[in-house]
Amino acid sequence: KQEVTQIPAALSVPEGENLVLNCSFTDSAIYNLQWFRQDPGKGLTSLLLIQSSQREQTSGRLNASLDKSSGRSTLYIAASQPGDSATYLCAVRPRTGANNLFFGTGTRLTVIP
Amino acid sequence: NAGVTQTPKFRVLKTGQSMTLLCAQDMNHEYMYWYRQDPGMGLRLIHYSVGEGTTAKGEVPDGYNVSRLKKQNFLLGLESAAPSQTSVYFCASSTGHGAQIGYTFGSGTRLTVV
Repeated sequence: KQEVTQIPAALSVPEGENLVLNCSFTDSAIYNLQWFRQDPGKGLTSLLLIQSSQREQTSGRLNASLDKSSGRSTLYIAASQPGDSATYLCAVRPRTGANNLFFGTGTRLTVIP
Repeated sequence: NAGVTQTPKFRVLKTGQSMTLLCAQDMNHEYMYWYRQDPGMGLRLIHYSVGEGTTAKGEVPDGYNVSRLKKQNFLLGLESAAPSQTSVYFCASSTGHGAQIGYTFGSGTRLTVV
């Protein structure tokens, strides 16, 4: 069974700092990996999707990378802002039994003004 | 421009009561999913559907039933609620399962069973 781990579980940084969130997964046979943002009491907002054939995706201040062979992905946030405070979840879609996403438990980010 | 809409947003049930959670999507997506989110465990798939009239079990299906009578709607039922079903429930949809396909999520239903 695919297992997804996110480290650290929580992170607190001062405003303006660049930061990296980590995601690792145990089975490299994936269709894609998706990063989501979840605000307290809210649903999931998709940030970036990286297909298995891709190495990275960028959207504004966000950059996600994928190293499928080592089972790792990183989400880089540049020039962090208080509005970036949220929980960030990564999820992988495996190639086998592909009607499911396997989620990590998330990294709770706090950006201090 | 609604995307995925879940009703209700909050509900408190007594043990043994039944209820139905409704998920509606207006994106003409074929695939729909029900997840539950519990502290420290991440989201887990309950049931899913690959098209109108189809349903299948996910990772944690026990105690739940689903129906997909219309393409745009996916219903999750609890026949006899138990405290272990206290959770936040999320519905999601997607167009298929190619490598470029991502999921769109609703805003969730917070259910408490007392």
